[in-house]
Amino acid sequence: RKEVEQDPGPFNVPEGATVAFNCTYSNSASQSFFWYRQDCRKEPKLLMSVYSSGNEDGRFTAQLNRASQYISLLIRDSKLSDSATYLCVVNKNSNYQLIWGAGTKLIIKP
Amino acid sequence: NAGVTQTPKFRVLKTGQSMTLLCAQDMNHEYMYWYRQDPGMGLRLIHYSVGEGTTAKGEVPDGYNVSRLKKQNFLLGLESAAPSQTSVYFCASSYSWQRGGAYNEQFFGPGTRLTVL
Repeated sequence: RKEVEQDPGPFNVPEGATVAFNCTYSNSASQSFFWYRQDCRKEPKLLMSVYSSGNEDGRFTAQLNRASQYISLLIRDSKLSDSATYLCVVNKNSNYQLIWGAGTKLIIKP
Repeated sequence: NAGVTQTPKFRVLKTGQSMTLLCAQDMNHEYMYWYRQDPGMGLRLIHYSVGEGTTAKGEVPDGYNVSRLKKQNFLLGLESAAPSQTSVYFCASSYSWQRGGAYNEQFFGPGTRLTVL
């Protein structure tokens, strides 16, 4: 079983729709969780950290479920510019090494 | 500020050749990392450094060596390239590490696309 698993997609979503995807992680000792965004042939960039209480940044909402060991990302009112691959990232045990999911590809269509 | 820069951007090697990838950051970050990214897989950590003069092995260190002689630079070496090392290599840096802290964000360079024939 992979340490961090994501549905690779692609998710094809019409502009303006709401889309959500989950990521599961295997290590119950993980303490830090992130969503990164990666555009085609570009470097990953931090989208948002995921906090225990859940957090929102504009149209983006991230949630953490420790009991079931998954994190989620919700995108509301999707824009064409949201098309990208979204990477789920979890720290390894309690240290600073990160484990990266393979990513979920999102395509927003006009 | 340039952030994180990597050289070269592209390289083609023949099996057995050696090369060094250079990563430089101007954000005064303590932590630096080298990853490789292959299709259908997440980024995998090759080596990392938690400060000048220190290095440590990551998940996939075999066939690679690193050095961090200056805080701002992190070099990745391939001593004898193999086709299995064909990949996109990313360097990243972060300020520090705190559990759940705001300084954990990793900043990435644009990547080096390496092909080993």
